[in-house]
Amino acid sequence: NAGVMQNPRHLVRRRGQEARLRCSPMKGHSHVYWYRQLPEEGLKFMVYLQKENIIDESGMPKERFSAEFPKEGPSILRIQQVVRGDSAAYFCASSGASNTEAFFGQGTRLTVV
Amino acid sequence: KQEVTQIPAALSVPEGENLVLNCSFTDSAIYNLQWFRQDPGKGLTSLLLIQSSQREQTSGRLNASLDKSSGRSTLYIAASQPGDSATYLCAVRPQGGSEKLVFGKGTKLTVNP
Repeated sequence: NAGVMQNPRHLVRRRGQEARLRCSPMKGHSHVYWYRQLPEEGLKFMVYLQKENIIDESGMPKERFSAEFPKEGPSILRIQQVVRGDSAAYFCASSGASNTEAFFGQGTRLTVV
Repeated sequence: KQEVTQIPAALSVPEGENLVLNCSFTDSAIYNLQWFRQDPGKGLTSLLLIQSSQREQTSGRLNASLDKSSGRSTLYIAASQPGDSATYLCAVRPQGGSEKLVFGKGTKLTVNP
């Protein structure tokens, strides 16, 4: 079991570009969560998805951010027109069922220059 | 709104010492509490998961306790080693239909040889 896989590990984007972050959950897991960790801050929940459905997006900024978890393939967190304040570590987690242990990936560290 | 606080923010101890990390949360309505370890520039490693009905969990030199009514959890590390140096994060999963984890900002532990 390869664990939760995120790619890329590091991503540099210029202001105004788009960032696409990918997350493949652990084998057999159908619940995916995205969190953001700003410098010197704790992890903040962004969005919770199950296959083809967004269940809870209460932590997502209202503009420029979107997430999907298609029937086939990884979950994608997409940030349009990135700004310097989007620079952070973005973590994906997965679980096999509701309210069970969450396993995290290594994260994608986004730097906006 | 659930808030999680971890004290102290940083801790430095000599090798071999037993130590306790503290976590408190404001709302006792939780499904479970999870302790993680985060190494610099890395992802989160799950250490222990305590369900709301449990009082403690043990794994090797680690022991986590949960007092849900008072909103507190402790992580006890026995016979600390330099390899234990990392940031330790506490997270709760609130009841009320949300699957998200609410994190504290962590305790940065340094074990000196």
